[in-house]
Amino acid sequence: DIVMTQTPLSLSVTPGQPASISCKSSQSLLNSDGKTSLYWFLQKPGQPPQLLIYEVSNRFSGVPDRFSGSGSGTDFTLKISRVEAEDVGVYYCMQNLQLLTFGGGTKVDFK
Amino acid sequence: EVQLVESGGGLVKPGESLRLSCAGAGFILSDAWMNWVRQAPGKGLEWVGRVTSRSAGGTTDYAGPMAGRFTISRDDSKNTVYLQMNSLKTEDTAVYYCTSGRSQWGQGTLVTVSS
Repeated sequence: DIVMTQTPLSLSVTPGQPASISCKSSQSLLNSDGKTSLYWFLQKPGQPPQLLIYEVSNRFSGVPDRFSGSGSGTDFTLKISRVEAEDVGVYYCMQNLQLLTFGGGTKVDFK
Repeated sequence: EVQLVESGGGLVKPGESLRLSCAGAGFILSDAWMNWVRQAPGKGLEWVGRVTSRSAGGTTDYAGPMAGRFTISRDDSKNTVYLQMNSLKTEDTAVYYCTSGRSQWGQGTLVTVSS
């Protein structure tokens, strides 16, 4: 099974400041089609997860451009250039190269 | 508008069974690989299992703790995917989501297993 490890567990940020979350997989997520099966979701309280980024760096429709994803192989990063109030919640990375596995989550809130 | 709507959750006793449904609107479930993901209270997301698309054979896979107790099926005529859960344990208490694993997620249905 592919294990996804996220850091940090929690992040207290100042509004308007940047934030960064790391996600590491136990094996490469590069698919045979050349795409990498790494996704980022945000779950706000009382809501299902919402897709932010697919295949490492592609923003889903309607996702603000302050969100960006990068990485390759086994190391990935989600960056928020300037955190806004609506960005508070728990962020999860997920792989679907082999079944589905989620990272443990990173809770983002304001200082 | 694409919608996934789960139903069937509730309170059951340990050892009992429950069947969850996930109905699709604006989204043909038979064309997708559909997953069930659960979230225990205050915890993270845990993959439960999946059924592949009709074109991929409609095969199923399950996470280890659920294998043998949970069964995923689909009724394409009703555009619905099911999660049959048997021999429920207290640790199965969670909100259960159906999802394509990408942008389509239902709102979830709460399953509580308690004596």
